[in-house]
Amino acid sequence: QQQVKQSPQSLIVQKGGISIINCAYENTAFDYFPWYQQFPGKGPALLIAIRPDVSEKKEGRFTISFNKSAKQFSLHIMDSQPGDSATYFCAARQGSNDYKLSFGAGTTVTVRA
Amino acid sequence: NAGVMQNPRHLVRRRGQEARLRCSPMKGHSHVYWYRQLPEEGLKFMVYLQKENIIDESGMPKERFSAEFPKEGPSILRIQQVVRGDSAAYFCASSLVDGANYGYTFGSGTRLTVV
Repeated sequence: QQQVKQSPQSLIVQKGGISIINCAYENTAFDYFPWYQQFPGKGPALLIAIRPDVSEKKEGRFTISFNKSAKQFSLHIMDSQPGDSATYFCAARQGSNDYKLSFGAGTTVTVRA
Repeated sequence: NAGVMQNPRHLVRRRGQEARLRCSPMKGHSHVYWYRQLPEEGLKFMVYLQKENIIDESGMPKERFSAEFPKEGPSILRIQQVVRGDSAAYFCASSLVDGANYGYTFGSGTRLTVV
């Protein structure tokens, strides 16, 4: 059972455009929501993360928007670049003492030059 | 800092053989986690180990799979009598303290193909 639902499965965006990936969860005990970026043949790398006490976090061209009441969060990639082409995973952790991450199924982003 | 090192990068096994996947954590890290990534799916937690101890193996299949993290040497994920359904990417991660508050770093994974 997927605890974190991610969409879309894939998306194509033109260089300079905005990529938007959405995730939804049911478990209200989740308290930490990281996003991971994975290039082909590599392991996932932490990109940006948010806790539910804030509604938005921005790091460079990457922004997480968090809607606690809707139990949804999203990743926005502004001014998308070909180097952003990768698979992105949202994840969630249950509680400050939990070490396990529940991952979404991933979104493959392709940025066309 | 070499990061989390996993080997081999690719492993092909025939059905019924054994697969041994190795993971060397980042220097100074004593917490190791194994995740499995099936095609078109996200990563799924398998097991959490500290040196010489299995802390949580709730994500491990009950049969054929085992993991260890000895006092010396890498962590090993062992799959006995592999079947086609074991084909997946296996990722190891490590952390300095338990990954609850600070997250962890993943290796590049071992892609296991069972033929």
